[in-house]
Amino acid sequence: SQQGEEDPQALSIQEGENATMNCSYKTSINNLQWYRQNSGRGLVHLILIRSNEREKHSGRLRVTLDTSKKSSSLLITASRAADTASYFCATVDNYGQNFVFGPGTRLSVLP
Amino acid sequence: DAGITQSPRHKVTETGTPVTLRCHQTENHRYMYWYRQDPGHGLRLIHYSYGVKDTDKGEVSDGYSVSRSKTEDFLLTLESATSSQTSVYFCAIRGTSEGETQYFGPGTRLLVL
Repeated sequence: SQQGEEDPQALSIQEGENATMNCSYKTSINNLQWYRQNSGRGLVHLILIRSNEREKHSGRLRVTLDTSKKSSSLLITASRAADTASYFCATVDNYGQNFVFGPGTRLSVLP
Repeated sequence: DAGITQSPRHKVTETGTPVTLRCHQTENHRYMYWYRQDPGHGLRLIHYSYGVKDTDKGEVSDGYSVSRSKTEDFLLTLESATSSQTSVYFCAIRGTSEGETQYFGPGTRLLVL
């Protein structure tokens, strides 16, 4: 059974707008990670947030984590056409061993 | 790309034939993973390895076997390929420190006719 579920499945916005993607999960976690995948390529790690953290920033990325609701969100501010990609959340269990990926959100940023 | 390569990058094969995919890393990382990616399913774990000769099953291991005789190589074998195994296969590696992330290879696109 899948742990992470992203929402929405697809998102289309104009360049300069903000993009928000959400991830929900079911069991307790050690950390939650967001990855990006450009078409035809492997996944690339973006940001990691630990279970005892509530918010983290990296450049134009902002990630929040609400362990009581078992949910996370990824915000990309001032989006660019180059941000067009699929974004995946991955939960990591308390042993730090088991990664479970969600089905992803496909983001299209229109110039 | 984090010193991880996959071969072949593309393969077309027929139902019933054996297929072996190779993942090679130059990072000396302990953990290696094989995933498959299909539309609507994200990445699903097939098998993973936590050391030489140490492997374990993932969510969708039926029909697949793996071997790791050297730290740098992790092989995925489809003993008798079926059309349902048509997919894109990704290898990933990870270190042992807490909070480590995974580094992915470029993927192998497999078509089983």
